[in-house]
Amino acid sequence: NAGVTQTPKFRVLKTGQSMTLLCAQDMNHEYMYWYRQDPGMGLRLIHYSVGEGTTAKGEVPDGYNVSRLKKQNFLLGLESAAPSQTSVYFCASRSQETQYFGPGTRLLVL
Amino acid sequence: EDQVTQSPEALRLQEGESSSLNCSYTVSGLRGLFWYRQDPGKGPEFLFTLYSAGEEKEKERLKATLTKKESFLHITAPKPEDSATYLCAVQPYGGATNKLIFGTGTLLAVQP
Repeated sequence: NAGVTQTPKFRVLKTGQSMTLLCAQDMNHEYMYWYRQDPGMGLRLIHYSVGEGTTAKGEVPDGYNVSRLKKQNFLLGLESAAPSQTSVYFCASRSQETQYFGPGTRLLVL
Repeated sequence: EDQVTQSPEALRLQEGESSSLNCSYTVSGLRGLFWYRQDPGKGPEFLFTLYSAGEEKEKERLKATLTKKESFLHITAPKPEDSATYLCAVQPYGGATNKLIFGTGTLLAVQP
């Protein structure tokens, strides 16, 4: 099993550009999550999904949208990127009580 | 407000020098406390889950303990490969989403 995978690994955007981050898991987990990690701050929840076709807002959802069209995939979209969205983004999926994380996507918005 | 505080922010140890990392939490009701290890440029790797005060879990040189207000990650005779950032997270009661509240982590460096 590959576990949780994320693409791309690194991306540079200009302010106002859009992009989609892809998270995939092959463990048949229902719950999936998107976090961002910034220096000096703990991981913060952006959006999450409790199953295929469902999404919900987390702690810092502004400027992001998500979709869960297939159970194994959870997409995070930035419609108009801002420098404040420069961060490392982690996806996670949940088995019972434990969340398992992907390797991350490093995003730089200029 | 639910909150997690980890200390120290950074810790430097000599190989074989045992120590402990602290995770203090305030939460309306604790459903679970999680420890993760994060290597540079990688995602958090799950280590332990603790559910009730007095519970202990061990894995190689690591031992996690839990009280009603804090958790400790004890590192016995550490090796350089134990160098990483250790993250603590709590899951409060309420909701069905398994939301986690993370601390900012302790950066551990073990020198040979």
